[in-house]
Amino acid sequence: QKEVEQNSGPLSVPEGAIASLNCTYSDRVSQSFFWYRQYSGKSPELIMSIYSNGDKEDGRFTAQLNKASQYVSLLIRDSQPSDSATYLCAVRGLTGGGNKLTFGTGTQLKVEL
Amino acid sequence: SAVISQKPSRDICQRGTSLTIQCQVDSQVTMMFWYRQQPGQSLTLIATANQGSEATYESGFVIDKFPISRPNLTFSTLTVSNMSPEDSSIYLCSVDFDYGYTFGSGTRLTVV
Repeated sequence: QKEVEQNSGPLSVPEGAIASLNCTYSDRVSQSFFWYRQYSGKSPELIMSIYSNGDKEDGRFTAQLNKASQYVSLLIRDSQPSDSATYLCAVRGLTGGGNKLTFGTGTQLKVEL
Repeated sequence: SAVISQKPSRDICQRGTSLTIQCQVDSQVTMMFWYRQQPGQSLTLIATANQGSEATYESGFVIDKFPISRPNLTFSTLTVSNMSPEDSSIYLCSVDFDYGYTFGSGTRLTVV
């Protein structure tokens, strides 16, 4: 089982819709969770972090964490074509991992006009 | 937020040669991280660089192939040694700030 799993996509949503991106992780001791956006040819950009169970909202983005289910998600409301990118889920604090981030393989999101 | 400068941004190198990638942060940080992103893949951690001690390498990465220097709290280098076409990747340095990890702009390496 991979440590951090994401559906590779592509996930296609129409402009204005809600995009839902999901991530599961293997280790219950994991402490911190991050969502990065990566445009083609660019480096990853941090868009959300979440540390405790529940929802965290920042503008059009909402991160959701359920530690019991080892599940973290990212919702993007009112999706725009500029949201088209690969979204990487990252987890810090996996057993034996110390402070390092472990990344999922990413989900490609396409927002269609 | 902090700024990470990485160079070169890209390079094309002959097999068998070495390339040193530099990473400069505009504030002092304890740990710096070096990642590799192969074409179409996610990020894989190569090593963690602490100032004043040897870098800690992840499984599958060795110091002879990827020597790292960390002379002070704002700077680090990663060398890709004796390159082969399989080393063609994007190499990224990263720093852990309180709000999360920030990445440099990356070095796109092509080995021919």
